[in-house]
Amino acid sequence: AQSVTQPDIHITVSEGASLELRCNYSYGATPYLFWYVQSPGQGLQLLLKYFSGDTLVQGIKGFEAEFKRSQSSFNLRKPSVHWSDAAEYFCAVGPASNTGKLIFGQGTTLQVKP
Amino acid sequence: NAGVTQTPKFQVLKTGQSMTLQCAQDMNHEYMSWYRQDPGMGLRLIHYSVGAGITDQGEVPNGYNVSRSTTEDFPLRLLSAAPSQTSVYFCASSSTGIYGYTFGSGTRLTVV
Repeated sequence: AQSVTQPDIHITVSEGASLELRCNYSYGATPYLFWYVQSPGQGLQLLLKYFSGDTLVQGIKGFEAEFKRSQSSFNLRKPSVHWSDAAEYFCAVGPASNTGKLIFGQGTTLQVKP
Repeated sequence: NAGVTQTPKFQVLKTGQSMTLQCAQDMNHEYMSWYRQDPGMGLRLIHYSVGAGITDQGEVPNGYNVSRSTTEDFPLRLLSAAPSQTSVYFCASSSTGIYGYTFGSGTRLTVV
């Protein structure tokens, strides 16, 4: 069955420190992978996406993610976290065929210490 | 450009009542979806549509109905609300389904 696992429910980092949020997926075909961010009381905003090609993808707000097929992972990284990055982050996987379905992970809440 | 508009933003229902959550998009997107968000469970797909007149079930469709008579609108109907349907509901749309979705700001529903 298709699934997405975000092993860390809650992460706290100091402002200026580096960040890595983990995402593992289970999918039978070539996946389309996404990271979304949700600020409190808001909808979800797309940070970045991976379809094919270069396995390191750049997104908005200084985020990047690396696709590792051998590890079924798509971890999100940022070299220096800002207080405004505090939010909930969701990894999602979509189908290779055009059905439009996205499956989301449980989410990781990021807290940033001053 | 309004994007994806959901109404209402907040709603309290009594058990057994019915209601429709509205979702409209002005981007001429073919793909639309409804998700519910519950603490610790991420977003779960309720129903989705790949175009006007075409809908299908997601992971948690029970207790919800949808229809898609126009490209712009994708309402979600609760026929007989239950406390288990207390949640935050998000509508999303996409031009192709695989290039990421645009999300509405959500409807917070409480069933008492």
